[in-house]
Amino acid sequence: KAGVTQTPRYLIKTRGQQVTLSCSPISGHRSVSWYQQTPGQGLQFLFEYFSETQRNKGNFPGRFSGRQFSNSRSEMNVSTLELGDSALYLCASSLTGTGITGELFFGEGSRLTVL
Amino acid sequence: GNSVTQMEGPVTLSEEAFLTINCTYTATGYPSLFWYVQYPGEGLQLLLKATKADDKGSNKGFEATYRKETTSFHLEKGSVQVSDSAVYFCALRGDYKLSFGAGTTVTVRA
Repeated sequence: KAGVTQTPRYLIKTRGQQVTLSCSPISGHRSVSWYQQTPGQGLQFLFEYFSETQRNKGNFPGRFSGRQFSNSRSEMNVSTLELGDSALYLCASSLTGTGITGELFFGEGSRLTVL
Repeated sequence: GNSVTQMEGPVTLSEEAFLTINCTYTATGYPSLFWYVQYPGEGLQLLLKATKADDKGSNKGFEATYRKETTSFHLEKGSVQVSDSAVYFCALRGDYKLSFGAGTTVTVRA
């Protein structure tokens, strides 16, 4: 059974640009969550989608957005990049969502560097 | 709101030593508690979990007991191996998200 796949694994952008990250969940999983991991702030929740609906959102500015498609694949977008957006962005999938079991399966992450 | 506090690292141990990582939480109600592990260059993996008070989660020789009276979920392993070197995160589930501790880096020397 394939795990959670995130693309791209590494990317470098400059301030002001935008970026789109992709996540393919484990087959059959309907929930996708996104987390930002930085050395200073640790792991912070961005948002969770379940069956194409955003179910919860963390405390991030509107520059951070996401969506989920009918096949459960998800994308997150960050517009007008800032230096502080440099981070490892982790996607996690689950069968029913964090609210039900809390057991998430994480991808290896997309490491974004903003110059 | 919900929050998790972990003992700060890094922690360096010799093989076969005893490992304890302290974790305490603040939450309304009785959340489910988790330990996740992140090996170098990889994403997080669920190590163990406990869903109610006095539950003991265990996996790969690691154990943690959900203590409601002390709001704690300390991780322990009796004899660590070099392959246990990783970052360990304590987490709780609430409000449709996981709240993570800061993580504890553990290095086991041969």
